[in-house]
Amino acid sequence: QVQLQESGPGLVRPSEPLSLSCTVSGASISSHYWSWIRQSPGKGLEWIGYVYYSGSTRYNPSLENRVSISIDKSKTQFFLNMRALTAADTAVYYCARWLCAGINCPGLDVWGQGTTVSVSS
Amino acid sequence: DIVLTQSPGTLSLSPGESATLSCRASQSVSSSFLAWYQQKPGQAPRLLIYGASARATGIPDRFSGRGSGTDFTLNITGLDPEDFAVYYCHQFGRSPQTFGQGTKVELK
Repeated sequence: QVQLQESGPGLVRPSEPLSLSCTVSGASISSHYWSWIRQSPGKGLEWIGYVYYSGSTRYNPSLENRVSISIDKSKTQFFLNMRALTAADTAVYYCARWLCAGINCPGLDVWGQGTTVSVSS
Repeated sequence: DIVLTQSPGTLSLSPGESATLSCRASQSVSSSFLAWYQQKPGQAPRLLIYGASARATGIPDRFSGRGSGTDFTLNITGLDPEDFAVYYCHQFGRSPQTFGQGTKVELK
């Protein structure tokens, strides 16, 4: 059974960076796309971006200048780094597997439980 | 960005009744890249439907999806008590991927 587990700080000071990790178990990380999504009351579900197992990435243009996503296949983990946080970045952050191979794209089929990040001084 | 508008915002129904949820896209979306998710309080979204009409693994057949272009629908036939939740549509045919704002199916 594929499982994803996020980890990271629950509280971040304004203007400071955020680092989250997602540990993948029960499946090879050396395939598929690995995604980050966040959910806040004000903006609903927001796609942040993904990293492909090869290391290539794609980001939401609204966050692209503050975000980077990377992967460590040896540790079966992938990571979200976001800088210059503000209160607007307060949200539940989810990691998820995005199944997609050509036209066969079932979507975000496995999600982590989510980790709450609050941005406050 | 493709904006997905879901309606209604809230559906108040009783167990056994049927629900029809709408997702309208601001631009045409390939049905291959349209999915629906269910989210219960305190939980992550769960994939229900992909390719606009295919049920994900383990999803009961009371859930069905259809649509094409800019109009997509999720139907729940005979609501089970466990179906009361928030439902989201999601397009991933054009970057950035986007989600609808959700439809809450609540107990009447």
